[in-house]
Amino acid sequence: SQTIHQWPATLVQPVGSPLSLECTVEGTSNPNLYWYRQAAGRGLQLLFYSVGIGQISSEVPQNLSASRPQDRQFILSSKKLLLSDSGFYLCAWSGHNNEQFFGPGTRLTVL
Amino acid sequence: QKEVEQDPGPLSVPEGAIVSLNCTYSNSAFQYFMWYRQYSRKGPELLMYTYSSGNKEDGRFTAQVDKSSKYISLFIRDSQPSDSATYLCAMKQTGANNLFFGTGTRLTVIP
Repeated sequence: SQTIHQWPATLVQPVGSPLSLECTVEGTSNPNLYWYRQAAGRGLQLLFYSVGIGQISSEVPQNLSASRPQDRQFILSSKKLLLSDSGFYLCAWSGHNNEQFFGPGTRLTVL
Repeated sequence: QKEVEQDPGPLSVPEGAIVSLNCTYSNSAFQYFMWYRQYSRKGPELLMYTYSSGNKEDGRFTAQVDKSSKYISLFIRDSQPSDSATYLCAMKQTGANNLFFGTGTRLTVIP
């Protein structure tokens, strides 16, 4: 069966510091991968998606970036965090059908 | 106008009640419809997945899609305290990568 991992689970970072969140998927190959952000009281906002290694599409221009160095690894990064980057970051994957499956999430607080 | 509208609640019901959760949408091109359950501080869990119009039943859960009205519903029969969570609707077009989410309805089932 497929499993999706995210780490760290929680993170507290000062404004202006860098960020690296990692997501890995097990039990499937060539998945589509997604990064979402969920702010308090709001829906999920798609940040990036990837259909293959090195292929990244950005949905929302901002100070975040994503990379896919391996088939089942998806990384979300920032060079300098803003207060507005606080939120719950979710990684998801989908296969050949249209269902998306989410990871456990990373709760980021920027102070 | 948002692509997907969902009443945020909160909704409180007694144990054993039938719960009805709903979303409306504006994009007639949406063909795939999903319901996710999200417990506090966890990633969303896929509950139901339907294609086009019609009903789908899985245990105590029934998903309905009415494309003519652009309206989808999730019914929970014999609700349990363990059903207490936020329920998110999501939908997508054929061939698209991104899901459009409602903001979620917070449900509490009181023992």
